[in-house]
Amino acid sequence: EDQVTQSPEALRLQEGESSSLNCSYTVSGLRGLFWYRQDPGKGPEFLFTLYSAGEEKEKERLKATLTKKESFLHITAPKPEDSATYLCAVQEGSNYQLIWGAGTKLIIKP
Amino acid sequence: EAGVTQFPSHSVIEKGQTVTLRCDPISGHDNLYWYRRVMGKEIKFLLHFVKESKQDESGMPNNRFLAERTGGTYSTLKVQPAELEDSGVYFCASSQELANGELFFGEGSRLTVL
Repeated sequence: EDQVTQSPEALRLQEGESSSLNCSYTVSGLRGLFWYRQDPGKGPEFLFTLYSAGEEKEKERLKATLTKKESFLHITAPKPEDSATYLCAVQEGSNYQLIWGAGTKLIIKP
Repeated sequence: EAGVTQFPSHSVIEKGQTVTLRCDPISGHDNLYWYRRVMGKEIKFLLHFVKESKQDESGMPNNRFLAERTGGTYSTLKVQPAELEDSGVYFCASSQELANGELFFGEGSRLTVL
């Protein structure tokens, strides 16, 4: 069965303390891997799409990378406003539905 | 530009009752999706419309769930009769393209079945 696993479940950092979130996946033919951010009471908000191993995308303090089995979301010098749940999802080769991980809740303390 | 809007934001019903959720996608987006998140679980796909046609409804849990998208604009998701396990947050999303994974989500409709 296709599966997306995110770790850690929760991460508390001090403002400015860099770290990484992990998303590992097992799908038969990856079409794409996607990172979303979700704030409490809101819907997920799109961040990045990665299609192939070795690909990297950056946006402000976030950088997403992809290997054949996992993706990392690196956050550099985070600020309190980066606090949110970060969700990873994949598209498997034969269809367009997204298969989601459970998310990592990131808390940045000032 | 207006985003994806969902109504109601929260609905509380008794087991056996009917609820209809509505989603208005971003204007011009042919693709409309329904997802849901039950407590403590991952977001799960329900179905996908392209315009008014059901492209993929493999995630619909059973025949108590009925989704429509008349005229290819807004969509409704009806649950009849509702069961306790239907409680959760139902998200609607829309997109212009299929493959780039950039979906625009609404804020969700929280359904509580008592």
